Amino acid sequence: GNSVTQMEGPVTLSEEAFLTINCTYTATGYPSLFWYVQYPGEGLQLLLKATKADDKGSNKGFEATYRKETTSFHLEKGSVQVSDSAVYFCALSDYGRGADGLTFGKGTHLIIQP
Amino acid sequence: EAGVTQSPTHLIKTRGQQATLRCSPISGHTSVYWYQQALGLGLQFLLWYDEGEERNRGNFPPRFSGRQFPNYSSELNVNALELEDSALYLCASSPGLAGYNEQFFGPGTRLTVL
Repeated sequence: GNSVTQMEGPVTLSEEAFLTINCTYTATGYPSLFWYVQYPGEGLQLLLKATKADDKGSNKGFEATYRKETTSFHLEKGSVQVSDSAVYFCALSDYGRGADGLTFGKGTHLIIQP
Repeated sequence: EAGVTQSPTHLIKTRGQQATLRCSPISGHTSVYWYQQALGLGLQFLLWYDEGEERNRGNFPPRFSGRQFPNYSSELNVNALELEDSALYLCASSPGLAGYNEQFFGPGTRLTVL
């Protein structure tokens, strides 16, 4: 079946540090890949997406590249801010299996200290 | 454009009761997804409705059920509530199959079972 694995954290960084959150996946078909962010007390917001191999998704200074050879979709940001503190979820949607809904990783809690 | 809305924000029930949660999708979206976000279990896919029909369900017992109305809004019903049903229930909508379109999430309903 489909699965997504990501570091759970918490990950604590200082403001302006470089961020990497690793995400790897297993899928039987041709997945689309997503990063969602959840701020305290809120629902999920789509951060970025990539629908095919070698696509790069980017938004708000975050980026992730769909690497089919390593089945990875790592999230990166060059300089984090305190306002980036949130929980980040890597997810996939596998069209080859039909619309089963998104398969999520367990989420990475990111804490940015001033 | 209004986002996905959910009601109520919070719901407190006792074991054995029934809970009804409601979701209104983004205008023009025909698919509605329900997810459970329980502490320690991450986000799990519950149900998918499209064009008024249940299209797929996750690995949950039959006491989790729902429906989609002609205006594409949706209801999630949880019968015979158990303590472990306490969770944040998130609704998401998309224009169609998740493989092609990202899902847009509502703020969630926090269900507490006492």
